[in-house]
Amino acid sequence: DAKTTQPNSMESNEEEPVHLPCNHSTISGTDYIHWYRQLPSQGPEYVIHGLTSNVNNRMASLAIAEDRKSSTLILHRATLRDAAVYYCILSLTDKLIFGTGTRLQVFP
Amino acid sequence: EAQVTQNPRYLITVTGKKLTVTCSQNMNHEYMSWYRQDPGLGLRQIYYSMNVEVTDKGDVPEGYKVSRKEKRNFPLILESPSPNQTSLYFCASSRWRRGSGGDQETQYFGPGTRLLVL
Repeated sequence: DAKTTQPNSMESNEEEPVHLPCNHSTISGTDYIHWYRQLPSQGPEYVIHGLTSNVNNRMASLAIAEDRKSSTLILHRATLRDAAVYYCILSLTDKLIFGTGTRLQVFP
Repeated sequence: EAQVTQNPRYLITVTGKKLTVTCSQNMNHEYMSWYRQDPGLGLRQIYYSMNVEVTDKGDVPEGYKVSRKEKRNFPLILESPSPNQTSLYFCASSRWRRGSGGDQETQYFGPGTRLLVL
């Protein structure tokens, strides 16, 4: 399975946009890019996923580079509740392989 | 409310004493899975099941057993627990479409079971 690289941690202030990067230079043509997040003391929860085109939903936006070697999860206005570990995952099969993710801190 | 439940949430046991962690979902999902989460290692899949009576090994199956006799339940069994199985365990479920490949359905996770084996 292809590997993803994410920064260990990032910080943001409340109400500001947050751009969480993910590098996946060995991505194959049929790998989907998934994002999950894990709030403190909870199980992971789905955020968004996509293949080639940028995707938007009520939680976030996913911007995928044209060569698909990187992607960015965008939280348009960070809230304190968005403090979590964010996982960028590539999936070719039914399986999700989680890395160690990016820990996002949000300050009031 | 759609949810995945796990019991118990916390468990302290001793080496060699068989235990079962239950997982149940009320969403009629075909796919169920067990993960363990350890510091610095992220979540690793233990076993998964695509439907009733269909189970398969994940990345770290040693020391674990599962069964899927009913669609809603997917218990995790530790026949002879050892201290290296001390971990945080998550159950997850999702719909499953044959041939969906990486465009898989959203996985819903339970609240976790924290296990300490002495």
